[in-house]
Amino acid sequence: QVTLKESGPVLVKPTETLTLTCTVSGFSLMSDRMGVSWIRQPPGKALEWLAHVLPDDKKSYRTSLRTRLTISKDTSRSQVVLTMTNMDPLDTATYFCARVYKRQLWSDYWGQGILVTVSS
Amino acid sequence: SYVLTQPPSVSVAPGQTARITCGGDNIGIKSVHWYQQKPGQAPVVVIYYTGDRPSAIPDRFSGSNSGPSATLTISGVEAGDEADYYCQVWDSTSDHVIFGGGTKLTVL
Repeated sequence: QVTLKESGPVLVKPTETLTLTCTVSGFSLMSDRMGVSWIRQPPGKALEWLAHVLPDDKKSYRTSLRTRLTISKDTSRSQVVLTMTNMDPLDTATYFCARVYKRQLWSDYWGQGILVTVSS
Repeated sequence: SYVLTQPPSVSVAPGQTARITCGGDNIGIKSVHWYQQKPGQAPVVVIYYTGDRPSAIPDRFSGSNSGPSATLTISGVEAGDEADYYCQVWDSTSDHVIFGGGTKLTVL
């Protein structure tokens, strides 16, 4: 049974750094076919891809957020971590992690999401 | 950057056919994936690789892509199909995942 679960703070202050952890089970982060993506969704708005990490530790970041994002994986802990620096109220959103196939980057399993609010 | 364009809303009566389009530059050569998202829930893939359907998804859902738009077709629409639908592609040039703006399907 494949599951992904996001964890981290639900409230951060402006300018702080957000660290989110995606803990996966039912598949290996050492798979040569799959990786993990982070996607966010501001309240009432569309899905927005942020970053992914694929086999061979290949990483990609949303261009507009490239300087603020870091994605990493810890295969021993079955975790993928996303950090976002200099948080702003506009970063308030539900953050999802999802398993992504290396071929054409579609996601078959998603975490439940975590709502992160940025407010002083 | 690559942009996917979806109609904001589509309305259909129960039992009728809903068609949701997804437009993009040369989308006809891309593999398109579709997700259904109900309020307060994570997205669920309903179509991947343009026309493949996960086993848990009813065969009322189908996908096509002949350019200039890809289309998600839902036949015999049911009240439970009411949701937001997103198309998604991979832009190989930028190695970015691109989502459309989403379409709200209303079942009248």
